[in-house]
Amino acid sequence: NAGVMQNPRHLVRRRGQEARLRCSPMKGHSHVYWYRQLPEEGLKFMVYLQKENIIDESGMPKERFSAEFPKEGPSILRIQQVVRGDSAAYFCASSPGLSGNTIYFGEGSWLTVV
Amino acid sequence: QQQVKQSPQSLIVQKGGISIINCAYENTAFDYFPWYQQFPGKGPALLIAIRPDVSEKKEGRFTISFNKSAKQFSLHIMDSQPGDSATYFCAAVATGNQFYFGTGTSLTVIP
Repeated sequence: NAGVMQNPRHLVRRRGQEARLRCSPMKGHSHVYWYRQLPEEGLKFMVYLQKENIIDESGMPKERFSAEFPKEGPSILRIQQVVRGDSAAYFCASSPGLSGNTIYFGEGSWLTVV
Repeated sequence: QQQVKQSPQSLIVQKGGISIINCAYENTAFDYFPWYQQFPGKGPALLIAIRPDVSEKKEGRFTISFNKSAKQFSLHIMDSQPGDSATYFCAAVATGNQFYFGTGTSLTVIP
């Protein structure tokens, strides 16, 4: 039973480029969360999506960041015109979507902006 | 605004000792309280979880104590081992599956 799959695991981008991070949830899970973790810091909520629907994007920066979870295919977190401050680990988690169920994290995607 | 306050930020314990990490919350709508363990370079993994209708849950060396009236819960790691050295996150979950994480505790168990 495959867990939450994230790719790429490591990504290096130059300032101004775009970064695309992908997340395939666990089988049977229809809800996806994205979190950002800076070195030596906690998990910062970014966005919570259901297929074809954004449930909560209160943690997303207002500019340059977007997320989607299409009917088919993985969820994608897109960062346009990356800056050095975007360097972080980005974790995806999934859940079946029922209240009270826990969420299961992927191994993360480490973005480095040079 | 931090929905879940976690302490201490870091903790050093001797092998065989008890590690205790505390969390507090304000929102009485939270109805599920999981703990996650994260090793360097890895994603957080569910360790143990509790619902507010019980005051304690034990799984092996890991115990959650829950005080509903004080709106506090804590993780106890008995007989701590070097392999327990990791970062621990508490979380509180509200209806609608919104997860709120604490800021994390870095645990080091000294042999």
